[in-house]
Amino acid sequence: KNEVEQSPQNLTAQEGEFITINCSYSVGISALHWLQQHPGGGIVSLFMLSSGKKKHGRLIATINIQEKHSSLHITASHPRDSAVYICAAPRAYSGNTPLVFGKGTRLSVIA
Amino acid sequence: DVKVTQSSRYLVKRTGEKVFLECVQDMDHENMFWYRQDPGLGLRLIYFSYDVKMKEKGDIPEGYSVSREKKERFSLILESASTNQTSMYLCASSSGNLPEVSEQYFGPGTRLTVT
Repeated sequence: KNEVEQSPQNLTAQEGEFITINCSYSVGISALHWLQQHPGGGIVSLFMLSSGKKKHGRLIATINIQEKHSSLHITASHPRDSAVYICAAPRAYSGNTPLVFGKGTRLSVIA
Repeated sequence: DVKVTQSSRYLVKRTGEKVFLECVQDMDHENMFWYRQDPGLGLRLIYFSYDVKMKEKGDIPEGYSVSREKKERFSLILESASTNQTSMYLCASSSGNLPEVSEQYFGPGTRLTVT
């Protein structure tokens, strides 16, 4: 079973700072997922990527398949970015497999 | 927009009660999942289903069962609730034959307290 590790567990930043959250996994995968959970519980999918880089607004996700590592970057951070960010990977390389989740990174952006 | 709904946002039950958590999705998704989320442990998979009347155990199925009689509905059952089942329960759904490359859509969660 894939092991998914995130760092840091907690992160506090000043508004405007560039933020990086890291995710590593142990088994080669077809795609890696980044999700966001706001206070109150709702979880939304941010990115699913299998190579290179994806960008959506101020959020950028990158993945290095060889190193089994992905990063989520937030540029010009804002207090509304405060949330828990979760990465997830398939639990096995073979198909038709559910996801295993990291424990999340709690981000607080202070104005 | 995909919508995943859960029957209750908050639920308080007594030890030994049978508890039903309902999840309904409106986008004809094949795949449905039940997770529990606890502080410091993240999301853990309880059960999942890739088709009607199909179910597979996840990582922590003990004390739980599921039912999927219709494609849009996936129910989680706590046969005899215990205090260690106090948690946030989240349902999710996704489409397609390869769930690992499909976006998952989550319900709002049910915070269950067992006293």
